[in-house]
Amino acid sequence: DTAVSQTPKYLVTQMGNDKSIKCEQNLGHDTMYWYKQDSKKFLKIMFSYNNKELIINETVPNRFSPKSPDKAHLNLHINSLELGDSAVYFCASSQENSGSGANVLTFGAGSRLTVL
Amino acid sequence: GQNIDQPTEMTATEGAIVQINCTYQTSGFNGLFWYQQHAGEAPTFLSYNVLDGLEEKGRFSSFLSRSKGYSYLLLKELQMKDSASYLCALMDSNYQLIWGAGTKLIIKP
Repeated sequence: DTAVSQTPKYLVTQMGNDKSIKCEQNLGHDTMYWYKQDSKKFLKIMFSYNNKELIINETVPNRFSPKSPDKAHLNLHINSLELGDSAVYFCASSQENSGSGANVLTFGAGSRLTVL
Repeated sequence: GQNIDQPTEMTATEGAIVQINCTYQTSGFNGLFWYQQHAGEAPTFLSYNVLDGLEEKGRFSSFLSRSKGYSYLLLKELQMKDSASYLCALMDSNYQLIWGAGTKLIIKP
């Protein structure tokens, strides 16, 4: 029944390691996103992706790379983890990336990454 | 550029009414969203306003004034389960969401 599911929910790792977070949505949505929520609770868009286009936030370090094997999946791979990467990462999806009012986001439960 | 302001924290009493304000500055506007986020959980959609006025949905209502760059979320008959953060998000001219930091609402018995 889970609409947007992401794994793992918790991830603790050492600096310098490489890790991945997986996300899957069963809503049939066209667009998927990765957000980072830091300790100050700001939600910052990292990537959005639909069938046609990957949109990258230019402020995101290139250590972060999204991978989308198909429309229902958008995984996040992080290389050479740093302390500042510690945050909660939310996957989300929407029907379309437009302002028609249909751009309501459905979020996954979040993946809390702690880098030691 | 864009800027969104909302109070960091508010406290209200169970059964009462609370209004959470959100002010914004933007060069392009395609709507304003409110989301609710309980601690340790994902944000969930509450409301969307693109035209001026009040949208009512049960105990929750959302208001928008585009000329004033102002929105509020009104919560009536507060329940303990309404304790959460309430996030205001602006959709800009590129249909990208710009998020406020959220208002933590504490409900007291």
